[in-house]
Order: sequence, then C-alpha cells, then structure tokens
Amino acid sequence: AAGVIQSPRHLIKEKRETATLKCYPIPRHDTVYWYQQGPGQDPQFLISFYEKMQSDKGSIPDRFSAQQFSDYHSELNMSSLELGDSALYFCASGTSGGGSYNEQFFGPGTRLTVL
Amino acid sequence: QKEVEQNSGPLSVPEGAIASLNCTYSDRVSQSFFWYRQYSGKSPELIMSIYSNGDKEDGRFTAQLNKASQYVSLLIRDSQPSDSATYLCAANDYKLSFGAGTTVTVRA
Repeated sequence: AAGVIQSPRHLIKEKRETATLKCYPIPRHDTVYWYQQGPGQDPQFLISFYEKMQSDKGSIPDRFSAQQFSDYHSELNMSSLELGDSALYFCASGTSGGGSYNEQFFGPGTRLTVL
Repeated sequence: QKEVEQNSGPLSVPEGAIASLNCTYSDRVSQSFFWYRQYSGKSPELIMSIYSNGDKEDGRFTAQLNKASQYVSLLIRDSQPSDSATYLCAANDYKLSFGAGTTVTVRA
C-alpha cells in the first residue's frame, strides 16, 4: 500500500539558512499534519492543513511557514534556522471524514541538522 | 503539565511474557486514542486505535479504554524481541497529543 512520502530524508544546513521540507500524503487523504521530534522527545504538533487551508496550528515558530497545494502535497518552509531546529520532522496524513476518530499515518521523516 | 501522561519506563520483559503499558489523560483532550510504535530513528507506526470504553484486540495487542478513570492501556501478549521499541500513547483531537513514550525491551 502507498505510504506518506517525505523529501529530503536528510538535510544539513548552516545557521540562518533556509530549508524546505516536502510531504506527499497517501492517495485520497485530504489532511496533512506536521510534527517535530527532538532527541529523546515525543513528537510535537506544528501545523495541519485540510483541503489546502490551514486547519490548526500548534507550537510552530514564526520563522516557519507551510502550505498545502492543489495536489494535496505540503511544504514546510523554515527560515533563519537555529541550532535548536535540529530534529526529525514528520508529516502525517489522514482523511477528514471521521472527525477526531481519523487515524494519522506518518511518513519516514526528514532529519534536519543545523550546524 | 502534559495532557497525556505515560508511566515511566523503561520496561523490560522476557520473551513470551505480557508487556503492560499505561497512559492517563486530562479531561481537556478528545476521547479517541491511538498507540504508536516507534523504533529508534524511525517514524511512529500506528498499531492500535480505540474510541469506546472497553477492550479492543488485534492479534497480540489489546487496547483498553476507561473513560471514567481517564486511562488507556496497551497489552502486548507473547512478547517478541521485535517488539522492542518505544510505544507512544496519543490523544487525537484533530491533532495528536503524545505521551512521553515507554521504551520496551524484550529479553530473549
């Protein structure tokens, strides 16, 4: 079965640089979620999109922005990178039909390292 | 304080035994819950979802939800070394709120 695709899988950036992470949801899934997981931490919700509109926002820094495109893929743009942004970034996808009962399926993640 | 709390690990069990993981939640969160398994450096993998009071079984996994006591648990029967991982309890309120995770080690 098709899964969530994320690219790139690994990314190394310098401080103050920018980064763009991409997520391709499971076919026919209309909702995308972004999570950040620091070392030894549980995943923290950043932002979500439903039908190309932002649906919820969590602890996402103002330096980060995201959007969902007409083909439902999503991009997370990160600017003025800081050392503390080094983490695993996961995208999850789901469908909106069941409300809070909807399951979320995670992609393999992008490991961002800021030097 | 986290909205979802998991009992502290790590948990070490012998192969073939039952591993029991617990999670409590605040009344601010939704009433649907997921259990994810995460191997080191990998992404969370959904293994169980539960929405109603009572038990839900899927293979060697049984999830239990008790809304009155605000806890959800996961039992892993006949534990295998491949079950060694971190197990994350999550409350689903359109976004997931995770517990800190319980690391399980199954000794061969």
